[in-house]
Amino acid sequence: DAGVIQSPRHEVTEMGQEVTLRCKPISGHNSLFWYRQTMMRGLELLIYFNNNVPIDDSGMPEDRFSAKMPNASFSTLKIQPSEPRDSAVYFCASSLAGGSGANVLTFGAGSRLTVL
Amino acid sequence: SQQGEEDPQALSIQEGENATMNCSYKTSINNLQWYRQNSGRGLVHLILIRSNEREKHSGRLRVTLDTSKKSSSLLITASRAADTASYFCASPELTGAGSYQLTFGKGTKLSVIP
Repeated sequence: DAGVIQSPRHEVTEMGQEVTLRCKPISGHNSLFWYRQTMMRGLELLIYFNNNVPIDDSGMPEDRFSAKMPNASFSTLKIQPSEPRDSAVYFCASSLAGGSGANVLTFGAGSRLTVL
Repeated sequence: SQQGEEDPQALSIQEGENATMNCSYKTSINNLQWYRQNSGRGLVHLILIRSNEREKHSGRLRVTLDTSKKSSSLLITASRAADTASYFCASPELTGAGSYQLTFGKGTKLSVIP
């Protein structure tokens, strides 16, 4: 398996533009997570899907952020409109949902977003 | 919320020395995980220790867990330059939605000098 695949690896855009980040989880994994990493705040969970259904989106910063998982092999994270404070590395991770929170996550390489 | 907090924030050692990183967490847990992140890459799972385990080994890694002190440590023995990376502890936190969220600390940045 090629692992979790994210695209684009780097994105530079201007404030106000729409940004779409993409993720292909590991085949057979039924849980998918979107995290954001910044120096100030570390790794923050944005949203979590189980069997393609959003379970917890309490980490999504505001209405400008939305995420979808139309099928088991694809997810998107969209920011519209983007702002400079959204600049961060966005990670997608997938796992086989384990009991009692024993999920071992496999991370993608990340998408580095810079909003000017 | 930050469930796990690593200490120290940064650690610099000579190749061949041992490196110890500590993690403290706030709420009761049933397992704790350690991950590694090389610069510009995603996190990679290293080891999981369950609450009924006190110590676990994997190659040059040794993890301990003290549930009474709500702390864990990661020891890397005979360090190599390739061990240079950031190391994170992660523990499950029950959310209001009734699901478990894996919460990460801010990490320890380890530099191993050849």
